[in-house]
Amino acid sequence: NAGVTQTPKFRVLKTGQSMTLLCAQDMNHEYMYWYRQDPGMGLRLIHYSVGEGTTAKGEVPDGYNVSRLKKQNFLLGLESAAPSQTSVYFCASSSQGAQTEAFFGQGTRLTVV
Amino acid sequence: GENVEQHPSTLSVQEGDSAVIKCTYSDSASNYFPWYKQELGKRPQLIIDIRSNVGEKKDQRIAVTLNKTAKHFSLHITETQPEDSAVYFCAASKGYSTLTFGKGTMLLVSP
Repeated sequence: NAGVTQTPKFRVLKTGQSMTLLCAQDMNHEYMYWYRQDPGMGLRLIHYSVGEGTTAKGEVPDGYNVSRLKKQNFLLGLESAAPSQTSVYFCASSSQGAQTEAFFGQGTRLTVV
Repeated sequence: GENVEQHPSTLSVQEGDSAVIKCTYSDSASNYFPWYKQELGKRPQLIIDIRSNVGEKKDQRIAVTLNKTAKHFSLHITETQPEDSAVYFCAASKGYSTLTFGKGTMLLVSP
């Protein structure tokens, strides 16, 4: 039982490049989330999903897109990376949404130069 | 939307002392308040949570208190140990969709 796994763990992008971050969970959770963590800013919600085939915007969605084609996977895309998107990205999942424990992935450190 | 304020941003204590981290929230409909601990370079992990129908909850050396009237909740750690050193996040939610986090408190416990 791996829990929540993120791929990749580290990435360096040039401004304007695109990439996709993959989040996979094996706990059969309905709810999945993408957060970004910046120094002094806490965890800010980018997008979330309440079930397979659904997505919704969070607090800081601009510049990102997501897809949830399979229940166990939640993809975060950056179409045209900007230096302001340099951050640590965390995926999380939970069984009963925001009313129960969120299980986080190990994080992806993304640097945009 | 919900706004969660967390204080202090940094807290330094001596081993064995108590530590208290405080959070306030803006939406009186919020009813679930978890606390997460994030060790350096690791993922956040839930350490304790409290629901709005309870005023206090304890788990060994950690406890959380909730004052719904004042819209604030606090994390209390007694007999602190070096391994308690981490960033602690409070959070609040009122529905099933989203959780709003505070900005975090870096706790440093010196031997």
